[in-house]
Amino acid sequence: EVHLVESGGGLVKPGGSLRLSCAGSGFTFSYYTMNWVRQAPGKGLEWVSSIGGSGEYIYYADSVKGRFTVSMDNDKNSLYLQMNSLSADDTAVYYCAREIGGSISDYWGQGTLVTVSS
Amino acid sequence: DIQMTQSPSSLSASVGDRVTITCRASQNINNYLNWYQQKPGKAPKFVISTASSLQSGVPSRFSASGSGTDFTFTIASLQPEDFATYYCQQTYSTLRTFGQGTKVDVK
Repeated sequence: EVHLVESGGGLVKPGGSLRLSCAGSGFTFSYYTMNWVRQAPGKGLEWVSSIGGSGEYIYYADSVKGRFTVSMDNDKNSLYLQMNSLSADDTAVYYCAREIGGSISDYWGQGTLVTVSS
Repeated sequence: DIQMTQSPSSLSASVGDRVTITCRASQNINNYLNWYQQKPGKAPKFVISTASSLQSGVPSRFSASGSGTDFTFTIASLQPEDFATYYCQQTYSTLRTFGQGTKVDVK
């Protein structure tokens, strides 16, 4: 059974950094594109980043480009999101999701909350 | 970036009603559009793709259509478990973008 579990969220001060992790099981990471999607409290979904299964391509939303770095460790079946220069606008629940054909995100983690506040 | 505009932002309906949500793209995205359902406190869940029509396991009451810039998501007969927020997402561009969401609640 496919399972995704995010971790690493928490409270961080403006300007700080945080590294999120997404541990996958039940499938082989290297075969799939993985996505990060976030949702600010009471707001809609915002796509953040995508990475190809072998890291052959990486894309970022303009809102995080230059501050966030996505990576993956296929040996550990894990996805990461290094977040730097955080601001209050980055406060959100961060989800990782697996992408299959048709660019469909078919499995999602439960999310991890990142709060940026002094 | 491609902007996605959903309407309405919310609607009230009763069980058995036909519900239609529209999504408009700021530029042509062919038919690269997916729809997701999200319930409070839960992760989004894929519902249907405009490109692939009905997916395996998706109830037949859900349908999606459109091409170019204008798209429609329809629930033919609203069921109790369908009260949720629905999002469209374009996948034409490598920079995926979501619509702002449509909340479907009880009338």
